[in-house]
Amino acid sequence: QSALTQPRSVSGSPGQSVTISCTGTSSDVGGYNYVSWYQQHPGKAPKLMIYDVSKRPSGVPDRFSGSKSGNTASLTISGLQAEDEADYYCCSYAGSYTFGFGTGTKVTVL
Amino acid sequence: QITLKESGPTLVKPTQTLTLTCTFSGFSLSTSGVGVGWIRQPPGKALEWLALIYWNDDKRYSPSLKSRLTITKDTSKNQVVLTMTNMDPVDTATYYCAHLLGSGYYTFDYWGQGTLVTVSS
Repeated sequence: QSALTQPRSVSGSPGQSVTISCTGTSSDVGGYNYVSWYQQHPGKAPKLMIYDVSKRPSGVPDRFSGSKSGNTASLTISGLQAEDEADYYCCSYAGSYTFGFGTGTKVTVL
Repeated sequence: QITLKESGPTLVKPTQTLTLTCTFSGFSLSTSGVGVGWIRQPPGKALEWLALIYWNDDKRYSPSLKSRLTITKDTSKNQVVLTMTNMDPVDTATYYCAHLLGSGYYTFDYWGQGTLVTVSS
């Protein structure tokens, strides 16, 4: 059960869009529509931003959107804002009630 | 309102057994579909899923750590306990417990604040 692969960092200017990829296998990302995304600010607990690939919990801005194609899921942040600067992690169901997290991506707002 | 809070030792010695307690409110682990999981994060590194327990006492573990982990629940106390044996300095991490979104969902929606455990002699 290897960690899902994410880019180490992405960056963008305020107002721009950034996309974070999360690559797994047919045993996790590709096999189930159960990918979630978490935002983590320094010293804080992760916060759920997207679940079931593309659903947003109540209170999460619609600037955040999720999608999936094959074994790769993606999180897009549109209209980037300063407060979006944080680490982002994907998580996928991997069958038999087990889970795998991604390697994490640092989003920098220039 | 769902809240979770982790508690346990901040420092353990190598080879010792770590016992962490997750005390929660706002839901019951006797309700069908409910689950609580444990996730850890070494300093500066990624999140790692460790274990999960469901309302029906079904337990699941990370394959790579299964031999060292035990997860239990005390429904009357609203607590979930994680034990990890044979601790090593590489197990130094912030340990989080989290609520599973619900039956048919595979998402952790509420997280505790985390507790930092350092493994050192």
